[in-house]
Amino acid sequence: GNSVTQMEGPVTLSEEAFLTINCTYTATGYPSLFWYVQYPGEGLQLLLKATKADDKGSNKGFEATYRKETTSFHLEKGSVQVSDSAVYFCALYRGSTLGRLYFGRGTQLTVWP
Amino acid sequence: GAVVSQHPSWVICKSGTSVKIECRSLDFQATTMFWYRQFPKQSLMLMATSNEGSKATYEQGVEKDKFLINHASLTLSTLTVTSAHPEDSSFYICSASGGQGGPYTFFGSGTRLTVV
Repeated sequence: GNSVTQMEGPVTLSEEAFLTINCTYTATGYPSLFWYVQYPGEGLQLLLKATKADDKGSNKGFEATYRKETTSFHLEKGSVQVSDSAVYFCALYRGSTLGRLYFGRGTQLTVWP
Repeated sequence: GAVVSQHPSWVICKSGTSVKIECRSLDFQATTMFWYRQFPKQSLMLMATSNEGSKATYEQGVEKDKFLINHASLTLSTLTVTSAHPEDSSFYICSASGGQGGPYTFFGSGTRLTVV
């Protein structure tokens, strides 16, 4: 079946530190992959996406590369800010049900000044 | 991007009463809408998928008589929590897909339900 595994949180970093949040997936065929961000008390916002192998999604300094050989889509940012504190969800879309996303369990990121 | 409006953003109700949550696509036609429930510090659990004009498809373990979903138009879906109990307190999120092909799904801002 389709599933997403994210690294356990919480992750606590100092401002300007390097961030990596690991995400691996299981799916048949070629899913599309996403990172969503959820700020406290809010819904989910799409952060970035990649639709095929070797694609790199990027937005707001965050990057993730679709690695088919390792079935991974790790989220990275070179220098985090306090405002990046949020919960990050990795998700995949397989296409069997239009719009249906499979989510990882989320990783809480806290950035201290 | 497209806008999905979810209302109310928070609601407090008494045990035994019913609560309705609305999810509207403001600038596109949502052929499919999804309802998720999020427990504290956990991921989103898909409750049901609804297609406009047809009955919702519920995920295993979700009580369809308790969580009534209506998708009567291409811009509106509602989730009604009937006979609410404190264990129904949670964060509910809807998402809408316009069927353009590909995973173009947009999320509402969520509803915090507290049952007292």
